[in-house]
Amino acid sequence: QQQVKQSPQSLIVQKGGIPIINCAYENTAFDYFPWYQQFPGKGPALLIAIRPDVSEKKEGRFTISFNKSAKQFSLHIMDSQPGDSATYFCAAREGNSWGKLQFGSGTQVVVTP
Amino acid sequence: DGGITQSPKYLFRKEGQNVTLSCEQNLNHDAMYWYRQDPGQGLRLIYYSQIVNDFQKGDIAEGYSVSREKKESFPLTVTSAQKNPTAFYLCASSIRPQGRETQYFGPGTRLLVL
Repeated sequence: QQQVKQSPQSLIVQKGGIPIINCAYENTAFDYFPWYQQFPGKGPALLIAIRPDVSEKKEGRFTISFNKSAKQFSLHIMDSQPGDSATYFCAAREGNSWGKLQFGSGTQVVVTP
Repeated sequence: DGGITQSPKYLFRKEGQNVTLSCEQNLNHDAMYWYRQDPGQGLRLIYYSQIVNDFQKGDIAEGYSVSREKKESFPLTVTSAQKNPTAFYLCASSIRPQGRETQYFGPGTRLLVL
């Protein structure tokens, strides 16, 4: 059973649009929420991460919004570019654990020119 | 250049055959991990190792085995007991196993069954 539910499965936006990817969880012991970006045939790379004591975090054109009471978090890609076309995974990790990540199922984002 | 290398990039397995996937890191990280990636299922943890000569089963360890004889190396063997081995296999490492340490991933090995 997947502990982190991610939606949508895929998404197509035009250049300049704002793709939004949503993730939800039930385990209140999760205290670290990273997002990974993966290009075809490559390993995932850490994009941005947030802790639950922060409601929003921005790094460049990528923004995470976090709603602790709803147990939901989302990734927004501002001013999206064709080079942002990739698969994005959300993940979560329990605090004080050895570090095991629970991954969402991934969202394939396509940004058209 | 520091990083994680995985080899081979593609690997073919015949029925009843064991195959070994290589993972090497020169980041001086203590913890190493193996994940399996299938379409639409995200990444699932196979095995992890927090320190040399120690490793633990992840969520889907059946049909797989690992060893950790050196800090920089964490090979994964896909045994004949793994009935559905076709997948993309990813190795990762982190400085320490605990806390919010970033996991760095290798480029992956795609395993196909002949």
